[in-house]
Amino acid sequence: ETGVTQSPTHLIKTRGQQVTLRCSSQSGHNTVSWYQQALGQGPQFIFQYYREEENGRGNFPPRFSGLQFPNYSSELNVNALELDDSALYLCASSPRTGAREQYFGPGTRLTVT
Amino acid sequence: GESVGLHLPTLSVQEGDNSIINCAYSNSASDYFIWYKQESGKGPQFIIDIRSNMDKRQGQRVTVLLNKTVKHLSLQIAATQPGDSAVYFCAENMGNQGGKLIFGQGTELSVKP
Repeated sequence: ETGVTQSPTHLIKTRGQQVTLRCSSQSGHNTVSWYQQALGQGPQFIFQYYREEENGRGNFPPRFSGLQFPNYSSELNVNALELDDSALYLCASSPRTGAREQYFGPGTRLTVT
Repeated sequence: GESVGLHLPTLSVQEGDNSIINCAYSNSASDYFIWYKQESGKGPQFIIDIRSNMDKRQGQRVTVLLNKTVKHLSLQIAATQPGDSAVYFCAENMGNQGGKLIFGQGTELSVKP
């Protein structure tokens, strides 16, 4: 069984740029959630994708957007990067929306300078 | 607003002692309460969860207690080992919101040999 993978591992961007982060869900999982984890804080829910549709969103501005593909992998896009976007971005997959089992990937460390 | 918080940001214990990590929550509508362990450079790893209609659940060396009257959750680790050193997060699983997780700030557990 393949676990959740994310790419890239680390990324450095300049304020105002755009970034795309990628996530491959665990085999058999059709739901992907994205979280932002600032240094020293708990992860904050950004949004969830289920069967290629956004299925719930946290308190994040529209410049945070996402996609889910037919193979259930997902992308997180952030436009007009701000310094405060520097964080660890985590992807979690689950076998269905609302499931208690959620499995996290290792995350992508984004630094905005 | 919604929040899940922790009483202590750091906890230092001797190897072999028992550890207790506490968490307070404010939202009563969750289906499950979950404890995650996060090691440096990794995503959160599921430890144990408890359904909202239960008071206690035991796993291997871990016990979770839920007190709904005072909205308090605790994680007990028996015979703490150096490998238990990590940051521990409590989280609520909002099943009626697609399984959105609301995390607390985290407690860093340090195990001294």
